[in-house]
Amino acid sequence: AQRVTQPEKLLSVFKGAPVELKCNYSYSGSPELFWYVQYSRQRLQLLLRHISRESIKGFTADLNKGETSFHLKKPFAQEEDSAMYYCALGPSNVKAAGNKLTFGGGTRVLVKP
Amino acid sequence: NAGVTQTPKFQVLKTGQSMTLQCAQDMNHEYMSWYRQDPGMGLRLIHYSVGAGITDQGEVPNGYNVSRSTTEDFPLRLLSAAPSQTSVYFCASRRTSTNTGELFFGEGSRLTVL
Repeated sequence: AQRVTQPEKLLSVFKGAPVELKCNYSYSGSPELFWYVQYSRQRLQLLLRHISRESIKGFTADLNKGETSFHLKKPFAQEEDSAMYYCALGPSNVKAAGNKLTFGGGTRVLVKP
Repeated sequence: NAGVTQTPKFQVLKTGQSMTLQCAQDMNHEYMSWYRQDPGMGLRLIHYSVGAGITDQGEVPNGYNVSRSTTEDFPLRLLSAAPSQTSVYFCASRRTSTNTGELFFGEGSRLTVL
């Protein structure tokens, strides 16, 4: 079974401080990992995916297969980063396992001025 | 393109009533899905479909039915509403021809069952 755990329900940081959102997963196959974000009054949207190895809005995430983690980091948080963040896991083979994405419980980030 | 459109945005039901949440997408996506969002539990998959005429159960399918008669539409039916089905429901779609995993979400439908 695939499972995603986000241990922090709420992260509160000051503007300019670093922020790290933890994500741990369990999956028996080869996973694809993603971070989705939901800003206030907006739709859920993809923030970044591990296969792209890119930085979006200053955020990066590294897949650590040994620790089964995919933590999201930003060195200097901004007020506009305040949002709900979800880590998600899916199979790398798009035809496997019904092509399902499993989401974690979410972490609410509050960046204080 | 409108993307993924969900209706209604808000609905209040009494226990035992039935209703259908509508979802339509205009991106020609093969894959469509329904999630429910509950505080602390994240998004949980209810049902999904990899193409017209094909549906399958997700993590929490009980109490819900779906059908996929066209590529564009994927309605979610609550057969006999219960207070435990009070939630925010999201429809999402993606192509199945890629591995990107990018789901495109609707704006959500907030359902309250009294």
